[in-house]
Amino acid sequence: DSGVTQTPKHLITATGQRVTLRCSPRSGDLSVYWYQQSLDQGLQFLIQYYNGEERAKGNILERFSAQQFPDLHSELNLSSLELGDSALYFCASSETEGFTGNTIYFGEGSWLTVV
Amino acid sequence: GNSVTQMEGPVTLSEEAFLTINCTYTATGYPSLFWYVQYPGEGLQLLLKATKADDKGSNKGFEATYRKETTSFHLEKGSVQVSDSAVYFCALSDNSGYSTLTFGKGTMLLVSP
Repeated sequence: DSGVTQTPKHLITATGQRVTLRCSPRSGDLSVYWYQQSLDQGLQFLIQYYNGEERAKGNILERFSAQQFPDLHSELNLSSLELGDSALYFCASSETEGFTGNTIYFGEGSWLTVV
Repeated sequence: GNSVTQMEGPVTLSEEAFLTINCTYTATGYPSLFWYVQYPGEGLQLLLKATKADDKGSNKGFEATYRKETTSFHLEKGSVQVSDSAVYFCALSDNSGYSTLTFGKGTMLLVSP
């Protein structure tokens, strides 16, 4: 158990809909990251927050957004869903925002199926 | 940009065989290197890491040595078990900026009794 908690574990929704994925980081970790794992793209970094502020942005679509709240939990919002958004979405956390030797711990992921 | 290249799988071995999964990388500066493992139906778990050249990371019988001269971080285990069957991901963190991870495509390992 990494200490990173994600909900829901599984989600099935229709195209055009909007969903919210939730993540609670490990106790004491200030950074939260979101990754998408799909068969064709592999593991792709989406976005990072540190202590409530956006720190880095990867391959995140404009239809997707995220935020980190004062209690450090994070939510990833996916809207106008398309079939291609079906994937495993990982949340991860780390103690600091970057630099040497920082270790990132992953949750078990949220499986999203768009039908 | 940063990139990680792993050998394609699946790698199929018998129990107690020797395992090598190759990983090479391209990065600016001096990245930290990681191996993550994903067991069936589970999330990613950190297996081992190395933060500077010639460092050896080790855990659960697995080890990998950070080779800057060959830009490699090959994963090895002397005697695999059926329970080692999983997908293994090599990754790097570019220490010149924020610690986002760049992953390889993963290598599936299948160990038979």
